[in-house]
Amino acid sequence: SAVISQKPSRDICQRGTSLTIQCQVDSQVTMMFWYRQQPGQSLTLIATANQGSEATYESGFVIDKFPISRPNLTFSTLTVSNMSPEDSSIYLCSVEVGWGANEKLFFGSGTQLSVL
Amino acid sequence: AQSVTQLGSHVSVSEGALVLLRCNYSSSVPPYLFWYVQYPNQGLQLLLKYTSAATLVKGINGFEAEFKKSETSFHLTKPSAHMSDAAEYFCAVSAFGNEKLTFGTGTRLTIIP
Repeated sequence: SAVISQKPSRDICQRGTSLTIQCQVDSQVTMMFWYRQQPGQSLTLIATANQGSEATYESGFVIDKFPISRPNLTFSTLTVSNMSPEDSSIYLCSVEVGWGANEKLFFGSGTQLSVL
Repeated sequence: AQSVTQLGSHVSVSEGALVLLRCNYSSSVPPYLFWYVQYPNQGLQLLLKYTSAATLVKGINGFEAEFKKSETSFHLTKPSAHMSDAAEYFCAVSAFGNEKLTFGTGTRLTIIP
């Protein structure tokens, strides 16, 4: 299993500012993922972050808006840049743990972001 | 491309009654299918997953789901609801195992005492 600590748990930010969300895992993991859950919608994958390489972004998400760092196997950050009210969402990090049939995704409890 | 449709954003059942949460998927390749549960103020937790082995998948907390290819469905069931089952449930599909999951919009399950 994996215990994921995500900070902050919630924040209220002003338009035009940036927020960096931290994700700390209690074990070394290769693959980390960042998801967004907009109000009333499903989770959407933003990017995959592997240590030692550039993050891979999904369609509709770009590095300038959502820069990601992955300095080691237990930590990652997602920055929401130049925020607008449309960025108000829950942001979740997740990690893949295990091998083969026992592979599982574990999720952090999320960061609830409100942009005014 | 993959997609998931969860029928019913809110489901209420009486304690002890059958729980049935519906999920239909669309996938151009043999899918991996998942059910996740989210309790208040907690992260998503894997209930069960289908990976092309047995079509009836048993998960944690007494939940199970049956993969029906002909109906493109992966409905979640539990024979007898417990108050602790109240949570939000998400169905998800992927063509790549745990990578690139596509989630449904979720179903909030309420248990009536």
